Amino acid sequence: GESVGLHLPTLSVQEGDNSIINCAYSNSASDYFIWYKQESGKGPQFIIDIRSNMDKRQGQRVTVLLNKTVKHLSLQIAATQPGDSAVYFCAENGQAGTALIFGKGTTLSVSS
Amino acid sequence: EAGVAQSPRYKIIEKRQSVAFWCNPISGHATLYWYQQILGQGPKLLIQFQNNGVVDDSQLPKDRFSAERLKGVDSTLKIQPAKLEDSAVYLCASSPYRGRGNTGELFFGEGSRLTVL
Repeated sequence: GESVGLHLPTLSVQEGDNSIINCAYSNSASDYFIWYKQESGKGPQFIIDIRSNMDKRQGQRVTVLLNKTVKHLSLQIAATQPGDSAVYFCAENGQAGTALIFGKGTTLSVSS
Repeated sequence: EAGVAQSPRYKIIEKRQSVAFWCNPISGHATLYWYQQILGQGPKLLIQFQNNGVVDDSQLPKDRFSAERLKGVDSTLKIQPAKLEDSAVYLCASSPYRGRGNTGELFFGEGSRLTVL
């Protein structure tokens, strides 16, 4: 079925380290992907997106990599900070016009 | 620019009671979504509106959930009667998407947390 999942439910890193959060998707027809960050008690906040005609996109301290061959998406956060502690979700747009489908999330904990 | 507004932020009810949530999207956004987020899970789509028309309500439990978006702006989501398993955060999101290509970024509100006892 159409679903998006994450490899690890939790990830703990030290402040200053680089973090990598992974996501596997199952719908090979998906052509648009987004990473969201959700802090406790708040709604999801957009981080970065990527279309299927790209395999890499960079933002400020974040990079998203897309591997369509194995249907894998990853979010890399450089120099992770305590403020990056949150739950991270990947989401896919399986078909034009349909709503985003979210995975289960990875909880990132950053210790100083 | 004001974000997506939702109310109430918290609601506690007993099972079989009814509850309503309200959402005011970002001004000018044509598309509005209601998602249900159960603790520890990702958001799950309940219903998608474009202007005041329903685009997708395939995952809305229609025997107890209803939603409307009158005049293509504000929206309300109602649950009647509530069940224990309806305890969740109800997220409203909007986007400027008007029906072509991918939806792009969705802008989320803070959510309405429902506890059913």
